[in-house]
Amino acid sequence: KAGVTQTPRYLIKTRGQQVTLSCSPISGHRSVSWYQQTPGQGLQFLFEYFSETQRNKGNFPGRFSGRQFSNSRSEMNVSTLELGDSALYLCASSSEGSGGADTQYFGPGTRLTVL
Amino acid sequence: SQQGEEDPQALSIQEGENATMNCSYKTSINNLQWYRQNSGRGLVHLILIRSNEREKHSGRLRVTLDTSKKSSSLLITASRAADTASYFCATDGGDYKLSFGAGTTVTVRA
Repeated sequence: KAGVTQTPRYLIKTRGQQVTLSCSPISGHRSVSWYQQTPGQGLQFLFEYFSETQRNKGNFPGRFSGRQFSNSRSEMNVSTLELGDSALYLCASSSEGSGGADTQYFGPGTRLTVL
Repeated sequence: SQQGEEDPQALSIQEGENATMNCSYKTSINNLQWYRQNSGRGLVHLILIRSNEREKHSGRLRVTLDTSKKSSSLLITASRAADTASYFCATDGGDYKLSFGAGTTVTVRA
C-alpha cells in the first residue's frame, strides 16, 4: 500500500496570506490527524477527523481549520498567516476508529515558511 | 502542552553500544508509543505498549512501562549509524490524539 502523502512538501508564504495543506491517508484508513512541529513547541496536536467528523481539536486559534472528505482525504487551512506559523505540518492516518489509540502512520510533512 | 518529558535530551554513543532513553508522563493513558524521526522528516512508528503491559520487544528495541511511576523507557541494543535520529514517546489518553514528548536526539558514532 502507498503511504501517507502530503502536498505540497514545501511552501513559502508571506504574513497575512492563507494556506491549504493536503493529506491523503493510507488506503482504507479513516482516521486522519494533523500535528504541528516547531523547534520551540515540539509536536503539537491540531485536530483529528474520522469519517468526516472532527473528534478532537488542539489548543490552536481559530485561524487553523481542517476538514475531511468522504474519501478520507483531509485538508487543513491556516488563514492570516503569522511568522510563528512557520513549522513542519505532519499528517497521520490510522486504520481504526479509535484514533490515537492505534499506530499512527505519518506522512513526510509539509514545511511551511512564513516570511 | 506536552504530556511527556524525555530524558536525556541528547545522547551520543559509539556504534555497537546500547542506548537508553526515558519518558515520563502526567495523566493516565491507554497506551504509550515510541516514534523515530530522521532529520525533520515524517515520524516512523517503532512500538506500542498498552497500559496493562510491562515490557515489549521488537527486534533490537525493548520498551518498558511502569504505570505506577508514569514512566517508560526505550532501549536500543547494538546501535548502528542508521539509528541516528530523534526519538519521541507519545501517550494516548483515549481522546483521539497523541501527546508527544520533546524527544531525545541520538547520535551514533562510527
